[in-house]
Amino acid sequence: DTGVSQDPRHKITKRGQNVTFRCDPISEHNRLYWYRQTLGQGPEFLTYFQNEAQLEKSRLLSDRFSAERPKGSFSTLEIQRTEQGDSAMYLCASSSKLNTEAFFGQGTRLTVV
Amino acid sequence: DQQVKQNSPSLSVQEGRISILNCDYTNSMFDYFLWYKKYPAEGPTFLISISSIKDKNEDGRFTVFLNKSAKHLSLHIVPSQPGDSAVYFCAASGAYTGTASKLTFGTGTRLQVTL
Repeated sequence: DTGVSQDPRHKITKRGQNVTFRCDPISEHNRLYWYRQTLGQGPEFLTYFQNEAQLEKSRLLSDRFSAERPKGSFSTLEIQRTEQGDSAMYLCASSSKLNTEAFFGQGTRLTVV
Repeated sequence: DQQVKQNSPSLSVQEGRISILNCDYTNSMFDYFLWYKKYPAEGPTFLISISSIKDKNEDGRFTVFLNKSAKHLSLHIVPSQPGDSAVYFCAASGAYTGTASKLTFGTGTRLQVTL
């Protein structure tokens, strides 16, 4: 399978706990994106990496959120002190320099109870 | 501020007929438009795209039309098949964002193709 892979697929956590998600992009893609999707909405951009550099962050990404892509391959998204409003589907996507379309993973569904 | 709008939350079409999904945008700096299809509990799957230098792009049963003056695009599916039942998202990007693939999505249209 050469698609975008996300882990875990589902996460249930108690309010106040920290969670970390992982994304493995398509191997030759140097661009990696995180999006968040809530019920009834389209995906919303969170942040973007080109190789290991985080080039853009949305204002949606509060200080409790941090994303890394240490070696320009896989990426992690950490949420500290989770809140019920963080419950959403977190989507990772990747694209190559030559293609504008982004290819999405299956997402991680986070439920904060 | 919803820059990409899909005003029809749902659409029902009979198998074999044409499905037309509509999308409007407000930001004139968008220059690349995409349609994604999404099944429940899965990530969006890229379907078809169009650059602002074109007004039509076709791929098999799927055709996207772009009307720049009206800031409107539409996706035509002919003939519609039951497997096309999904949520369809319109998305837009622009070189002005500095990132070619940063996408702004609409809220989606749920298509149901009935037998």
